[in-house]
Amino acid sequence: AQSVTQLDSQVPVFEEAPVELRCNYSSSVSVYLFWYVQYPNQGLQLLLKYLSGSTLVKGINGFEAEFNKSQTSFHLRKPSVHISDTAEYFCAVTALNPGGFKTIFGAGTRLFVKA
Amino acid sequence: EAGVTQFPSHSVIEKGQTVTLRCDPISGHDNLYWYRRVMGKEIKFLLHFVKESKQDESGMPNNRFLAERTGGTYSTLKVQPAELEDSGVYFCASSRGSGANVLTFGAGSRLTVL
Repeated sequence: AQSVTQLDSQVPVFEEAPVELRCNYSSSVSVYLFWYVQYPNQGLQLLLKYLSGSTLVKGINGFEAEFNKSQTSFHLRKPSVHISDTAEYFCAVTALNPGGFKTIFGAGTRLFVKA
Repeated sequence: EAGVTQFPSHSVIEKGQTVTLRCDPISGHDNLYWYRRVMGKEIKFLLHFVKESKQDESGMPNNRFLAERTGGTYSTLKVQPAELEDSGVYFCASSRGSGANVLTFGAGSRLTVL
């Protein structure tokens, strides 16, 4: 079984400032890693994913994340945020379980971008 | 293509009543998942269908919850009888395959049990 921890429940930041949303996971088997974003009254949308290969992955809207196997982390970063980035962000881990592949999510991080 | 559709978007019922949530996945997606989020906590896995078969139902809280996917198309999640702690947002997601496949989510069904 795997687990996901998002270390910050809320992150306030000023517009045009950089931001990092932290995610740590644990798993006894290989994993696939994802970040999803949820805007108000919408479903979760994929921001980016790590499947294999380069540990730095780039996603939509200028976001990127780096897979660090030794730290079991997959932190999300953006060098300069916009008001429109205000949303809730979820880290997710997919791993092979006895019942097949299962994706579990963290508790989410609310990003507030202030003018 | 049409996305994942969930109905109703919001349901308010009294304790002891029954509610049925419906999910229409993307056409051709064999994998269908139900998740629940309670009071700002993690989005918790409930179960996974592959076509009409339950692949993994390890997350179902108890026998008051019944999920079906007859014909391998849409799915329903029935809560009977509902309890206060069942309140939350129920998300449905679908994918063509499993493993590295990205999940496409519906907007969720918010259930409030009074």
